[in-house]
Amino acid sequence: SQQGEEDPQALSIQEGENATMNCSYKTSINNLQWYRQNSGRGLVHLILIRSNEREKHSGRLRVTLDTSKKSSSLLITASRAADTASYFCATDGAGGTSYGKLTFGQGTILTVHP
Amino acid sequence: DTEVTQTPKHLVMGMTNKKSLKCEQHMGHRAMYWYKQKAKKPPELMFVYSYEKLSINESVPSRFSPECPNSSLLNLHLHALQPEDSALYLCASSQISGVSGSAGNTIYFGEGSWLTVV
Repeated sequence: SQQGEEDPQALSIQEGENATMNCSYKTSINNLQWYRQNSGRGLVHLILIRSNEREKHSGRLRVTLDTSKKSSSLLITASRAADTASYFCATDGAGGTSYGKLTFGQGTILTVHP
Repeated sequence: DTEVTQTPKHLVMGMTNKKSLKCEQHMGHRAMYWYKQKAKKPPELMFVYSYEKLSINESVPSRFSPECPNSSLLNLHLHALQPEDSALYLCASSQISGVSGSAGNTIYFGEGSWLTVV
């Protein structure tokens, strides 16, 4: 079963606006990763945040992690039409030999209108 | 551009065919993975190889047979598939470090192989 739940399922915004996507998970984690997937393409890694980190930035991306609430958010600032894609969070479970076994959320479909 | 290369990009096969999907990475990663993704769904883990040994098999049917001939290559052999096996098959790789294997490392994905079983 999928550990992560993302909301919203779909988000439609205008170019220049900010987009915020949320992810919740159920069990303890080592880290949480965010990926982007353009239609019919592979997954592009965006950012990894470790369980002992609370916030991370990369360019126009800002990710937060709240392990007490088992939740994370991805903020894309000043969105562009090229940001249109599906966005997934993925958790790497804590404890034992996880070997990078990622469990993905259901994903958020982001549409940025020019 | 991804540094994980998958071939072929598209494959159509009959239910009695035998085919293979191939994956290659030259990042020196010692963990490699196969994921399956159905349309409008998130990827689901199938297999994990660590140091060329199978470490996780997520109860995948035997008609899918993985193989890791060396640290750079990962194959997925397909035989007697069903139409419901049609999906995007994603290969990925990562470094291995720490006591808990590849925990804490970025996992890089290829562009995937679109498989259609007719």
